[in-house]
Amino acid sequence: RKEVEQDPGPFNVPEGATVAFNCTYSNSASQSFFWYRQDCRKEPKLLMSVYSSGNEDGRFTAQLNRASQYISLLIRDSKLSDSATYLCAGEGTGRRALTFGSGTRLQVQP
Amino acid sequence: EAQVTQNPRYLITVTGKKLTVTCSQNMNHEYMSWYRQDPGLGLRQIYYSMNVEVTDKGDVPEGYKVSRKEKRNFPLILESPSPNQTSLYFCASSFRFRTDTQYFGPGTRLTVL
Repeated sequence: RKEVEQDPGPFNVPEGATVAFNCTYSNSASQSFFWYRQDCRKEPKLLMSVYSSGNEDGRFTAQLNRASQYISLLIRDSKLSDSATYLCAGEGTGRRALTFGSGTRLQVQP
Repeated sequence: EAQVTQNPRYLITVTGKKLTVTCSQNMNHEYMSWYRQDPGLGLRQIYYSMNVEVTDKGDVPEGYKVSRKEKRNFPLILESPSPNQTSLYFCASSFRFRTDTQYFGPGTRLTVL
């Protein structure tokens, strides 16, 4: 089982829609989680950290569910500019600082 | 401006011709790592470094070497590149090992013919 798993998508949604992604993790000892955004073939950039109490930044909300070992990202009022791949990351084991999921592709359509 | 830089950004080479991809960060980060990204496989760690002169293998180290002689620089060396090393490579750095945001360089797209 991969340490961090995501549905690869693509998620095709109309502008203005609300969309949610989940990401499951296997390392129950993980304390730190992040969502990164990656535009086509560019570097991943931090979107937001995920705290136990949840985290909200404008239209974006991240949640952590420790009991079920998943993190989620909710995007409200989707914009065309939100089209990208969203990578979740959790605290790695062994040699890894972070372990990344393979990414979920979002395509927001006019 | 705080950043991670990589060079070259694009490289086409032939099998067996040694190459080096440079990585430099100006944030005084102790932790640096190299990833490769392939379709469907996500980001896979090649090597990492906890500090100067401290390096260790990641998940896919075969065919790669690294060095960390200065805190800011972490070059990736392919002694004898092969076509299966064709990939998109990212260097990343962070202040702390596990609990901190990683900052990525712009990526190096390598094609080995």
